[in-house]
Amino acid sequence: KAGVTQTPRYLIKTRGQQVTLSCSPISGHRSVSWYQQTPGQGLQFLFEYFSETQRNKGNFPGRFSGRQFSNSRSEMNVSTLELGDSALYLCASIVGETQYFGPGTRLLVL
Amino acid sequence: AQSVTQPDIHITVSEGASLELRCNYSYGATPYLFWYVQSPGQGLQLLLKYFSGDTLVQGIKGFEAEFKRSQSSFNLRKPSVHWSDAAEYFCAVVGNYGQNFVFGPGTRLSVLP
Repeated sequence: KAGVTQTPRYLIKTRGQQVTLSCSPISGHRSVSWYQQTPGQGLQFLFEYFSETQRNKGNFPGRFSGRQFSNSRSEMNVSTLELGDSALYLCASIVGETQYFGPGTRLLVL
Repeated sequence: AQSVTQPDIHITVSEGASLELRCNYSYGATPYLFWYVQSPGQGLQLLLKYFSGDTLVQGIKGFEAEFKRSQSSFNLRKPSVHWSDAAEYFCAVVGNYGQNFVFGPGTRLSVLP
């Protein structure tokens, strides 16, 4: 079974731009979660989706949004990028109570 | 709210030595417990998990962890460390009632030749 796929793997943007990251979960998994990882804050939960519905949301500003499609693929969007949004964004495919992570998207905001 | 602490930010061991990484959690009941490993620039790989039953859990890559309810701990162990084990290790918990995953701050492991 293929693992979690995240695209793109690397991204460079400038302040004020917006970005969309994509995640395809493991085949058959209907739930995904997103995390932001930075050296200072560690792993922080962004949101979780199940069957196209947002089930949980972390403590991030409204600039961070996400959605899930009927094929379980998920996207997250960050608008009006700030320097502090530079991070590794991780997506996890969830089955039961276990999360399986993708390789992440490294976002650099200049 | 649930929380996870990993008291050791950085540990250095010699190749072939034994390893124990500490994890303590705070939660009202017994949560589900996980250990993940992350190599530089990579995602997180699941090493092992504990839901219930036998408190000694075997994982991949020769790792094991022991759940101790009385100490609210879930320490990760390996009898003989290999140079390829150098990475960052994260302990995580999730509650039984749909709560979010909570990760510890991580422990960075360095391995001396």
